[in-house]
Amino acid sequence: ETGVTQSPTHLIKTRGQQVTLRCSSQSGHNTVSWYQQALGQGPQFIFQYYREEENGRGNFPPRFSGLQFPNYSSELNVNALELDDSALYLCASSLFGENTEAFFGQGTRLTVV
Amino acid sequence: SQKIEQNSEALNIQEGKTATLTCNYTNYSPAYLQWYRQDPGRGPVFLLLIRENEKEKRKERLKVTFDTTLKQSLFHITASQPADSATYLCALDRYSSASKIIFGSGTRLSIRP
Repeated sequence: ETGVTQSPTHLIKTRGQQVTLRCSSQSGHNTVSWYQQALGQGPQFIFQYYREEENGRGNFPPRFSGLQFPNYSSELNVNALELDDSALYLCASSLFGENTEAFFGQGTRLTVV
Repeated sequence: SQKIEQNSEALNIQEGKTATLTCNYTNYSPAYLQWYRQDPGRGPVFLLLIRENEKEKRKERLKVTFDTTLKQSLFHITASQPADSATYLCALDRYSSASKIIFGSGTRLSIRP
């Protein structure tokens, strides 16, 4: 186990709704990154948070937003859900700066119907 | 933008043989290249990291090579076992103030007894 926990593990939402996914990072890690993984694909970078600020963003629309809290936990919010948002959402924690390994949570499986 | 290509087909090999997975990238040479293992419905798990000035890295039955001229990394599992069956992801990172890991789509490896 990595020490990174995500909640919920599974979620079903209706198109147009909003969703919040949560992540508790590994102890001692100050950076959280979020990824979207469609079936059969590799994880796609959404954004990264460091010191409660967004620190890099992938090619995702503004309806994908996030927060990082003082304890380094994080939330991913998605507004106006679309069917294509159905995917496994992964949170990864790491130490900011020189590259080190990222520790992933087990993911949240989001299904939009 | 950076693109990563991994073995497009699933790899199916006999137990005890060496599995070799390929990762090719375009554009800039990354500062770091990582390999992750992912089991179905789970988050990726870090295996090995190799830096651009390193040619080879080993960890138990795993070996990674990094050829910046060919823009290629090879990932080897020697004495393969059925428990090694999983999807293996290649990931690149170019250190910057907004570093993020870019993943390939992965190669599904099956080891038959």
